[in-house]
Amino acid sequence: KNEVEQSPQNLTAQEGEFITINCSYSVGISALHWLQQHPGGGIVSLFMLSSGKKKHGRLIATINIQEKHSSLHITASHPRDSAVYICAVRELKTSYDKVIFGPGTSLSVIP
Amino acid sequence: NAGVTQTPKFQVLKTGQSMTLQCAQDMNHEYMSWYRQDPGMGLRLIHYSVGAGITDQGEVPNGYNVSRSTTEDFPLRLLSAAPSQTSVYFCASNSWSGIDNSPLHFGNGTRLTVT
Repeated sequence: KNEVEQSPQNLTAQEGEFITINCSYSVGISALHWLQQHPGGGIVSLFMLSSGKKKHGRLIATINIQEKHSSLHITASHPRDSAVYICAVRELKTSYDKVIFGPGTSLSVIP
Repeated sequence: NAGVTQTPKFQVLKTGQSMTLQCAQDMNHEYMSWYRQDPGMGLRLIHYSVGAGITDQGEVPNGYNVSRSTTEDFPLRLLSAAPSQTSVYFCASNSWSGIDNSPLHFGNGTRLTVT
């Protein structure tokens, strides 16, 4: 079993739809990251969370530490949101910066 | 402030050839790392460095060497390329010190094909 899992693996949405991507993890963490990767592009950090909820524009990220679960929501989705969204966790109490990455969720938003 | 600069963007090698992937950051980060990204898998750590002169192995180090002579630069060397090293490579840096959290900064990636 992977230490970080994401669902769904692939997602197609119509423009304007509300989108939710889920992440669950099995290790103790100090922080959780949501990253965005456009096709052929680099990886950009969207959020870093250790508790609660953060919002940036149309993006909202939440985390439930007790349930070891996080969600990324996109409101009023747009074709430019089409990308791979990666959940990553920073494992607690390690001798190096151990970041465990999920496999990613590929999102396609159709006009 | 360029962030993390990674070169080249694309590279094709023949089996047995060697090459160096360059990575530089201008944020004065002590911590730098190299990852590879393969289809259907999360990024996997190849090597990391906690400061100039200090490097260590990650999850998948075989076939790769690194060095850290300055804070800014962290090159990744493939001494004898193999088809199994076909992948997308990302360099990353942050200011992790073991007790705090810092955002992750990535380069734009190098798409390497070994034939």
